[in-house]
Amino acid sequence: DQQVKQNSPSLSVQEGRISILNCDYTNSMFDYFLWYKKYPAEGPTFLISISSIKDKNEDGRFTVFLNKSAKHLSLHIVPSQPGDSAVYFCAASNAGNMLTFGGGTRLMVKP
Amino acid sequence: GAVVSQHPSRVICKSGTSVKIECRSLDFQATTMFWYRQFPKQSLMLMATSNEGSKATYEQGVEKDKFLINHASLTLSTLTVASAHPEDSSFYICSARYRGSNEQFFGPGTRLTVL
Repeated sequence: DQQVKQNSPSLSVQEGRISILNCDYTNSMFDYFLWYKKYPAEGPTFLISISSIKDKNEDGRFTVFLNKSAKHLSLHIVPSQPGDSAVYFCAASNAGNMLTFGGGTRLMVKP
Repeated sequence: GAVVSQHPSRVICKSGTSVKIECRSLDFQATTMFWYRQFPKQSLMLMATSNEGSKATYEQGVEKDKFLINHASLTLSTLTVASAHPEDSSFYICSARYRGSNEQFFGPGTRLTVL
């Protein structure tokens, strides 16, 4: 049973526009959510996180929104840049325990 | 800060040999380290969790006799793939977490190819 799902395997966006990556979860015990960016043959790089007590967290071009009632979170990147092209994973944890990862979404930002 | 290294970055070995991968936290004490495996175009799959000084906790379906994990110090964990076979070929990634943090910091990964 996949507790964290990223239903879009890929997303293509024009440079300068907004990229919206979505993530859904089923476990209501998750209380901390993270987004990672990953290039091929490299380890994931932490991007941004959000605690379940918040509904929004912003860091530069990256904003994460959390809708607890819908068990849904999203990552907004604006403006998108070609260097943002990578695979993005959302992850969730419960009480600081292990991370459960979604399947990833490949973002392609076209110049 | 919070840098995690892995060594080697790439290893090619013959079937039947054992391979050791090291994971080090360079600037913090990692009370917990995690080992993941990633197959092409798939997500990261947690293999095991190890706390310093205690035995690793393996996820369901992961053979503890095949994937030996040692977390001997607060800055080093090792994963040994015993008697590796071609199906063990994969990208192995470690991560580390310090006490009180929710975040995991990932190493750069190790590409294992078993011929």
